[in-house]
This record gives sequence, C-alpha cells and structure tokens, in this order.
Amino acid sequence: NAGVTQTPKFQVLKTGQSMTLQCAQDMNHNSMYWYRQDPGMGLRLIYYSASEGTTDKGEVPNGYNVSRLNKREFSLRLESAAPSQTSVYFCASSGRGLAGVDTQYFGPGTRLTVL
Amino acid sequence: GEDVEQSLFLSVREGDSSVINCTYTDSSSTYLYWYKQEPGAGLQLLTYIFSNMDMKQDQRLTVLLNKKDKHLSLRIADTQTGDSAIYFCAESTGTASKLTFGTGTRLQVTL
Repeated sequence: NAGVTQTPKFQVLKTGQSMTLQCAQDMNHNSMYWYRQDPGMGLRLIYYSASEGTTDKGEVPNGYNVSRLNKREFSLRLESAAPSQTSVYFCASSGRGLAGVDTQYFGPGTRLTVL
Repeated sequence: GEDVEQSLFLSVREGDSSVINCTYTDSSSTYLYWYKQEPGAGLQLLTYIFSNMDMKQDQRLTVLLNKKDKHLSLRIADTQTGDSAIYFCAESTGTASKLTFGTGTRLQVTL
C-alpha cells in the first residue's frame, strides 16, 4: 500500500500565481485533512473533509480552497499565492489504526515557496 | 479553544534517556498521541494513550499522563542517533478528526 501520496514534492511560485496540491490515499478512509507546517507553530489545520462530498474550514482557511473529488482524493488550491503561504503542506487521512484507535496517517509533504 | 504546548528543543547524549513534555488545555481530550517527524518527511504515529490511562509502555517508549495537571510526557530509553527528529504531541476529543498539535520538540542526540 502506498498510504497517503502528495504531488508535487517541491514547488516555487511567484506572487499571484495559482496552483493545486494533489493528495490521494488508498486506505479507504472517509476523513482527509490539509495542514500547513511553519517553524515554531506546529501543524495548523487548513481544511478537512469528514466524508466524500463534504468539506469544512479548519484553523487557517483564508487564501485556500479544497475539493474532495472522490473518496481517495482531496486537493488544495491556492488561487493567488502570497509569500505568507510559503510553508510545508501535509495531507492526512484518518481511520482505525493501532489497536482499533482512530489514527491520522500523513503524506510526505509539499514544500512550497512563494516569491 | 484547545491549546497544546511543548518546549522547542532538547539535546541528550546517546545512551541517555530523553523526556519530552507536553501540556494541553482541553479537559475533554479522549486520546493523546505522540508523532515523530524525521527530516524531510511526514509525521509518523509513535504511540498514543487513552485519557483514562496513567501510563503506557511500548519497548523503549514510555508515555505518562497526568490528567489532573493536563501534562503528557514521552520518555525514550537508551536514546539513539536515529531518534533525532521532531516530536509532536496531539490531542483529540473522540475521533481523529481535528487533532490539535503542539509546536513540536526537536530532539538532538549527540555522541
């Protein structure tokens, strides 16, 4: 199993450009998440999707949009990139893991720089 | 709202024990987790503890939970250079939806 995959791994954008970060999971999980990671701030939730067809805002949704295309895929779009969106972006999905406990599984991340 | 705090940095010598601490504010937390992030990688679940437990041991890892003080710790026995990473604690209130993460503690293991 590949688990959670993300593309691209690295991206450099100019201010105002748009792009979509792709995420897919093959664990048949209902819930999926997008986080950003900034130094000294831990992980902050951008958006999440509890099930196919639903999405909800997290802690820091401004400047982002998401699409839950199907059960496997959850994409994150930056319509007009800003330098403040320079970060590492992680996708995750959740389901029963260790000893039946709900667990989040993370992708390898996308390192985005906005100039 | 929920808040989870950790110290940012810890340095230990190889072979010593490491203790990484975490405090949280949400008294309704049901599960508390420890994740490990190696350089350039995503987060991997190390272990978890249910809120009605005081301690959980898993090989070199010991998790202690003081629910009264809302304090969680991760002890790594016989720390190795491969344990060098960022360690995050996280809390949830039922399902894995909307985990709240701490800021992460960078563990440096020196020879």
